Amino acid sequence: GQQLNQSPQSMFIQEGEDVSMNCTSSSIFNTWLWYKQDPGEGPVLLIALYKAGELTSNGRLTAQFGITRKDSFLNISASIPSDVGIYFCAGPPNAGGTSYGKLTFGQGTILTVHP
Amino acid sequence: DVKVTQSSRYLVKRTGEKVFLECVQDMDHENMFWYRQDPGLGLRLIYFSYDVKMKEKGDIPEGYSVSREKKERFSLILESASTNQTSMYLCASTQTGGGYEQYFGPGTRLTVT
Repeated sequence: GQQLNQSPQSMFIQEGEDVSMNCTSSSIFNTWLWYKQDPGEGPVLLIALYKAGELTSNGRLTAQFGITRKDSFLNISASIPSDVGIYFCAGPPNAGGTSYGKLTFGQGTILTVHP
Repeated sequence: DVKVTQSSRYLVKRTGEKVFLECVQDMDHENMFWYRQDPGLGLRLIYFSYDVKMKEKGDIPEGYSVSREKKERFSLILESASTNQTSMYLCASTQTGGGYEQYFGPGTRLTVT
C-alpha cells in the first residue's frame, strides 16, 4: 500500500526556535493532513490541505501541500513547551472505490522542546 | 464538543486471555477505526467499520477481530492475547464526506504479560 515517510524521526530544540518537518510519498496524495498527539492523548487534527501548492496557517503553524502532490511540510515558528508531542502526517490512500474516510499515517516526528 | 471514549486507559492481561477494547463515539459517525501505535511505526490500521455490522480488514488484522452492533460502539477483540500485541490502541471515527478528519479517543495502553 501507499506509505508516508516522515523526517526527522525526532527533534530536540530550544524554546523559541523554529521547527520544520516533512512528509514524503512515492505516490500522489490528493489530501494532506497534519495531526498532533499530546503525551497520553489521541491525535488531534492541526491542518488539512486539499490543493497542490496550498499554504495554510493555524496560529504559529504553517503547512504546505507540495506541488508534486508527493510531499507536504509543516513549520512551527517560535516554539513553546506545549508544542511537545508527536506530529503525524496523513492522507487518504488512492485505492479506488469508496474510502470510508480511511487514512494512511506517517511514522511520526517526536518533538521535544527545552525551556 | 465531539467525543470518542475508550473503555480503559491502561490494561494488563495475561498471554492467552481474551481481551475486549471498547470505543464509543457521540457524533453519529458512520465510520469507525481501530489502530495500534508502536514507536517508529506510526499508526497502523487494524480494522474499520463503515456501518453497523459491516467491517473491513485494515493493514494488520491478524490476531484481532471486531464487532459493531450499534452505530456508536466499535469493539476490538483479541481472541488470545500474545505479548507481541502489547501496544497503544487508538479508536477513531469520521463522517463519510466529512473531509477526512478523524476524531480519536485517548487510547488504551495494553500490556500482555
